[in-house]
Amino acid sequence: NAGVTQTPKFQVLKTGQSMTLQCAQDMNHNSMYWYRQDPGMGLRLIYYSASEGTTDKGEVPNGYNVSRLNKREFSLRLESAAPSQTSVYFCASSPVPISGNTIYFGEGSWLTVV
Amino acid sequence: GENVEQHPSTLSVQEGDSAVIKCTYSDSASNYFPWYKQELGKGPQLIIDIRSNVGEKKDQRIAVTLNKTAKHFSLHITETQPEDSAVYFCAASIGGTGGFKTIFGAGTRLFVKA
Repeated sequence: NAGVTQTPKFQVLKTGQSMTLQCAQDMNHNSMYWYRQDPGMGLRLIYYSASEGTTDKGEVPNGYNVSRLNKREFSLRLESAAPSQTSVYFCASSPVPISGNTIYFGEGSWLTVV
Repeated sequence: GENVEQHPSTLSVQEGDSAVIKCTYSDSASNYFPWYKQELGKGPQLIIDIRSNVGEKKDQRIAVTLNKTAKHFSLHITETQPEDSAVYFCAASIGGTGGFKTIFGAGTRLFVKA
């Protein structure tokens, strides 16, 4: 039972490079999310997809783009990486886009931009 | 928008003692308050949650209390064990049609000394 799977787990990028973080869930959840975690800042929402075919900005969307490829997959793209995007990124999913639903997180992707 | 403050940022207790983590939120419309535990190198996992129509909820050694008037909620862990050592996040969630928003606190790193 995989849950939420994200790749890669570790990545080092040079400033200006681009990359895509991949995420897939096997729980048939409608909603998917991308968070970043920084020391002392907790978890901040970058983008979310309430349901297949929709995406919305979260708290910190600048510098990122997302694609909800199908119900299972939600990718996060950094078009031109900056050192400020060094962070741990978590993909997550939940059953329905309403309050009160558990969010299930992946194991994280450690990204360093040099 | 919603703001969640969490204290303390670090907490060290002796095995067997109790640990209390406190959070405050700003938006009175918040109606769902989950707590997540994040072990080293892993994604956060839900450990307990409480809804705005309930004042207290217990699950074995953990309990959560909610004071809607004061906009406070707290996590209580009794008889702490070394495996309780982790980072704990509180969150406040506002429901609504078409999507939801969960705002996380900055996290508390709990150390349980054997």
